Amino acid sequence: NFMLTQPLSVSESPGKTVTISCTRSSGSIASNYVQWYQQRPGSSPTTVIYEDNQRPSGVPDRFSGSIDSSSNSASLTISGLKTEDEADYYCQSYDSSVVFGGGTKLTVL
Amino acid sequence: QLQLQESGPGLVKPSETLSLTCSVSGGSISNSDYYWGWIRQPPGKGLEWIGRIYHSGTSYYNPSLESRVTISVDTSRNQFSLKVNSVTAADTAVYYCARVIGAPQWFDPWGQGTLVTVSS
Repeated sequence: NFMLTQPLSVSESPGKTVTISCTRSSGSIASNYVQWYQQRPGSSPTTVIYEDNQRPSGVPDRFSGSIDSSSNSASLTISGLKTEDEADYYCQSYDSSVVFGGGTKLTVL
Repeated sequence: QLQLQESGPGLVKPSETLSLTCSVSGGSISNSDYYWGWIRQPPGKGLEWIGRIYHSGTSYYNPSLESRVTISVDTSRNQFSLKVNSVTAADTAVYYCARVIGAPQWFDPWGQGTLVTVSS
């Protein structure tokens, strides 16, 4: 099966925009939808993006998702950063098995 | 509002069987639109998919765990369960249950998670 590789950490200031990447090791990123989950310390993951770029109800439009076939990667972009966005973010996709990325710690300072 | 709640022992001895149950409320586990799944997270580490089950009992597992894992469903109790055999310290993790949506198999909502420690 394939792997999803994310940066270990990213940091940005409040009000700015940050992008987290998720690169698929083999097979096309476009072959299977990508999801993104937010996990605040001590809490369960919650979905912020599903099916590449769809937001569940209640998720602010500051969160957006995209895929780029040229780099075989997906991206989560968070604009207008707030301190409450500080969390771990995981990408997830699927082929014959479900695969999670290793997670990215977002620091907002 | 759909809610999931994990329950089971927090401490399991090495070589024994880990058993957890996920109770579903606010919706029926027999809903034909969804699967029901288990995911785990070792302390300080990332997420690992364990497997999923349909209300009919059809199940799929992570190949890396398949030889030791069984997921079952009890539609009369609106619950599904996880068993992991021959556990070692590497199975120490927070175990989450979640509803599985669609072919992309995304997970929403998740239970609060339960920490299972494998130690003698």
